[in-house]
Amino acid sequence: SQQGEEDPQALSIQEGENATMNCSYKTSINNLQWYRQNSGRGLVHLILIRSNEREKHSGRLRVTLDTSKKSSSLLITASRAADTASYFCATDGDSNYQLIWGAGTKLIIKP
Amino acid sequence: DARVTQTPRHKVTEMGQEVTMRCQPILGHNTVFWYRQTMMQGLELLAYFRNRAPLDDSGMPKDRFSAEMPDATLATLKIQPSEPRDSAVYFCASGLVTGRTEAFFGQGTRLTVV
Repeated sequence: SQQGEEDPQALSIQEGENATMNCSYKTSINNLQWYRQNSGRGLVHLILIRSNEREKHSGRLRVTLDTSKKSSSLLITASRAADTASYFCATDGDSNYQLIWGAGTKLIIKP
Repeated sequence: DARVTQTPRHKVTEMGQEVTMRCQPILGHNTVFWYRQTMMQGLELLAYFRNRAPLDDSGMPKDRFSAEMPDATLATLKIQPSEPRDSAVYFCASGLVTGRTEAFFGQGTRLTVV
């Protein structure tokens, strides 16, 4: 089952602009992760934010987490053509530590 | 460079045939997932193993799908008999107590059943 919901479903921006994607989830979590999937490839882990953290940075990525609203956002600054991909959020759903996935946001960076 | 290896990368088969997909998780990882990805359904969890024991396979059609881990270095997903609706990309992922840490994905097996 999918707990997370990303929005927008698709996003198209010019190279150099910032891209923001959002993820909402339903249950309490220990952490939330963001992954990237290039076309035809497997998912690649980007960043993990724990439930007691509010913001985390990794290079051009900035993730925020609002547990009161059960939502997270992923900001990619100064986007590049190589950032074109689908982005998924995943949360840990229960004590068996499964990952529960959103439907993803398809990001297109126009040169 | 540790990575999850899946074979085959592509498979085209006729309806009714048996399909076996294989996955070699990263050495030392104790959790293995099988996912199916389609445009319509997105990423669906089929099976989930911890220390080679199946913890959850509720997402898998039991009448035709089976998942096993004969040893710590090999996970298999079988479909018998295959149907056109099984056409999808199947991913294997491994991790350590995944959910607390990241999952590492293989490149997937693109299955086409004609």
